[in-house]
Amino acid sequence: GDSVTQMEGPVTLSEEAFLTINCTYTATGYPSLFWYVQYPGEGLQLLLKATKADDKGSNKGFEATYRKETTSFHLEKGSVQVSDSAVYFCALTPLDSSYKLIFGSGTRLLVRP
Amino acid sequence: NAGVTQTPKFQVLKTGQSMTLQCAQDMNHEYMSWYRQDPGMGLRLIHYSVGAGITDQGEVPNGYNVSRSTTEDFPLRLLSAAPSQTSVYFCASTNGRNTEAFFGQGTRLTVV
Repeated sequence: GDSVTQMEGPVTLSEEAFLTINCTYTATGYPSLFWYVQYPGEGLQLLLKATKADDKGSNKGFEATYRKETTSFHLEKGSVQVSDSAVYFCALTPLDSSYKLIFGSGTRLLVRP
Repeated sequence: NAGVTQTPKFQVLKTGQSMTLQCAQDMNHEYMSWYRQDPGMGLRLIHYSVGAGITDQGEVPNGYNVSRSTTEDFPLRLLSAAPSQTSVYFCASTNGRNTEAFFGQGTRLTVV
């Protein structure tokens, strides 16, 4: 079945460092891809998305490109801030679904001043 | 803008007790879902609904029931709580495939 694999955390960075969180997926056809972020004590919220191959999603300085050839959707940010400390989830919606989200296990990011 | 509202935020149950987690959305979304979040496992789908009167099972449905009598409400019932159901539960709603899913703030449930 469809699945998402994320790099294990926690990832600890100093402020202004470059961030990469790896995400790869297994799915039939062209799923929609998402990054969700969970701040402490809160629910998940959408960070960015891409719905077709080669699309780049971006928001708040974060970017991810839908790479069909490598089945990847890695999250990047050029300069992280303390306020970016959160848990990041990569997710997909399968081709045959309008509602279902399949999540990776999440990656905790801790940014130190 | 209420979005998705879940209650309660915290709950402690004894093994064998029953309870209902409430979820309401005010965005007129067709699709609503319940997930559980466990350490190292991401979020897993328990049950979902594609509209009022229509529900179906997700990945981990055992021990849970749902109903959807209105577009707005999608309660999750634990019939006889077990320690394995200790988790954080999230309700979500969306209007379709490529649209944003909105999540409630979660219910942290402990079964002792």
